[in-house]
Amino acid sequence: QKEVEQNSGPLSVPEGAIASLNCTYSDRVSQSFFWYRQYSGKSPELIMSIYSNGDKEDGRFTAQLNKASQYVSLLIRDSQPSDSATYLCAVPIQGAQKLVFGQGTRLTINP
Amino acid sequence: GAGVSQSPRYKVAKRGQDVALRCDPISGHVSLFWYQQALGQGPEFLTYFQNEAQLDKSGLPSDRFFAERPEGSVSTLKIQRTQQEDSAVYLCASRYGLAKETQYFGPGTRLLVL
Repeated sequence: QKEVEQNSGPLSVPEGAIASLNCTYSDRVSQSFFWYRQYSGKSPELIMSIYSNGDKEDGRFTAQLNKASQYVSLLIRDSQPSDSATYLCAVPIQGAQKLVFGQGTRLTINP
Repeated sequence: GAGVSQSPRYKVAKRGQDVALRCDPISGHVSLFWYQQALGQGPEFLTYFQNEAQLDKSGLPSDRFFAERPEGSVSTLKIQRTQQEDSAVYLCASRYGLAKETQYFGPGTRLLVL
């Protein structure tokens, strides 16, 4: 089992709909969770971080964390074509300083 | 303020050539990370510095890879005797302090080994 797993996609969502991105992780004691967005040819950009069970909302983005299920998700409401990108889930594993990334989910928003 | 900068942005090397990649972190950021990103994959950890101390180099794929941060600011990732499998984007990230804080990424150096 990989330490951080995501469906690679591609995930195609119509404009205005909700995009749902999922991530599972292996380390039960992980405390912090990050979602990065990466446009093609660009570097990862942080869009959400979450530390506690439940939901965290920031504009059109909502991160959801369930530590018991070792599951973190990202919802994008009112999806826009500019949301088309690869979304990376990242988790510090086993207390290490480094981030372990999933392989990313490629999201396409269709106008 | 200025973000993380990296140079060069693109590097083409002949197999067997040595290369040096530079990272300028955000001023005041204690932690510095190097990651390698292959096409279609997420970034993979290479090494981590806290100030000038290299505290984790477990991700360096071979002894051809070497990183330093002698004054606790600028860092250089050196790859000796490059191989085709070294072709990737090399990302540098910096972080102010604690593990739960955000890592900010630079634009990356795209290395192509021919």
